[in-house]
This record gives sequence, structure tokens and C-alpha cells, in this order.
Amino acid sequence: RKEVEQDPGPFNVPEGATVAFNCTYSNSASQSFFWYRQDCRKEPKLLMSVYSSGNEDGRFTAQLNRASQYISLLIRDSKLSDSATYLCVVNTDDKIIFGKGTRLHILP
Amino acid sequence: DGGITQSPKYLFRKEGQNVTLSCEQNLNHDAMYWYRQDPGQGLRLIYYSQIVNDFQKGDIAEGYSVSREKKESFPLTVTSAQKNPTAFYLCASSGQGGGRTEAFFGQGTRLTVV
Repeated sequence: RKEVEQDPGPFNVPEGATVAFNCTYSNSASQSFFWYRQDCRKEPKLLMSVYSSGNEDGRFTAQLNRASQYISLLIRDSKLSDSATYLCVVNTDDKIIFGKGTRLHILP
Repeated sequence: DGGITQSPKYLFRKEGQNVTLSCEQNLNHDAMYWYRQDPGQGLRLIYYSQIVNDFQKGDIAEGYSVSREKKESFPLTVTSAQKNPTAFYLCASSGQGGGRTEAFFGQGTRLTVV
């Protein structure tokens, strides 16, 4: 099993729709979790941290299920500017593991 | 301004030559990382370091070498043993001596073998 797995997409979603990304991780000792966004030919940038209690930032909601080793990201009312690759990130005690990312295309 | 700086942004190398990519951070972070990204692909871990004078191999260390003589600096050398070095190289750092905080990235170096 890969350390961090994501659906590679691409997801082609009409503007205004809700889109959900899922991610699973293999190391039960993983300690912190994040979603990053990467635009074409740019470096990844932190979108939001993920907490067990769930957290929301505007149109974005992240959830963590430690028992199932599963992380999710929900984007509501999607905008054209949300088009990017979304990376699931898991930190263990000694290193940071990135998922391969899910490409999202918001269609006008 | 605190941050992480990679240089150069673009680099061209002849086959058979070694080349060193620079990564410097002034965030006082203990941990630093090198990733490689190929077009349309995810990030793959090359090397990482949690503390000065110590580093570990990642998933694709063959053909690469690193050093960590200073907390601020983690240069990556792409050696002639790396068979397919053309890629986008990303350096990152994180705090607290491990993976407990988010990673901050430099802007990357695009290496092309000509």
C-alpha cells in the first residue's frame, strides 16, 4: 500500500458545484495532516491544515478520520480560480509525504 | 522577510556533468527536504534532513547527494549517475525537528539536460 494515496483525477466540475477530494494514508503513527494546492509550474502552497474535529475556511472544509486513516477536502461553490492540483500531505515523526495530487478543472 | 530560497530558477546541464542546486532558509527550521517532480506527476522525496550534519535517503536518492553543514542550507548535487535528471526540483523546510508542522517551499529549480 502506498504511503499516501489520492485519486489522480482529473475532476472536471462546472463552476458553482461542490467537489470532494479523498486521501488515505498507511502509517497509523502519522501526526499531522494538510492539504496543499499546486498551480501549474509553481511550488505547492499550504491550503489548510486538517484536524480530527474537522475545520472550515470559507468554502473549504477538511476532515480527518484517524480510525479509517482517511482525509477529505470539500470545496463548495467552486470558482474558476480553484482550478489546480490538490495535494494531500501526511507528516510522520521524521518526514513529510505528499500524495500524487488530484487535478481539478473548473468549467465555466 | 522569512522564507526559503532556491537558486537558480532555471539550470541547463550537459550530460555527464555534476550540478549543485542551492536551497537556503531563514525560517530557523530544523528539517529540510528535496523533492523531484516530473511533468504531470506528484512529488517524490529525494533526501531529507532533520538536523545539521545528518540526512536520510528518500525514495529516489540514487544519483543524488546532499550535505547539511549549516542549519540554513541544504544543497542538492545531481551527479552524472542520475540517468534522467531533467525535472522540477523543489526544496522545502519545516519546523520542530520533524514532520509536526507544515512545509514551506522554495520556488523550485527547473533542470534541463542538454
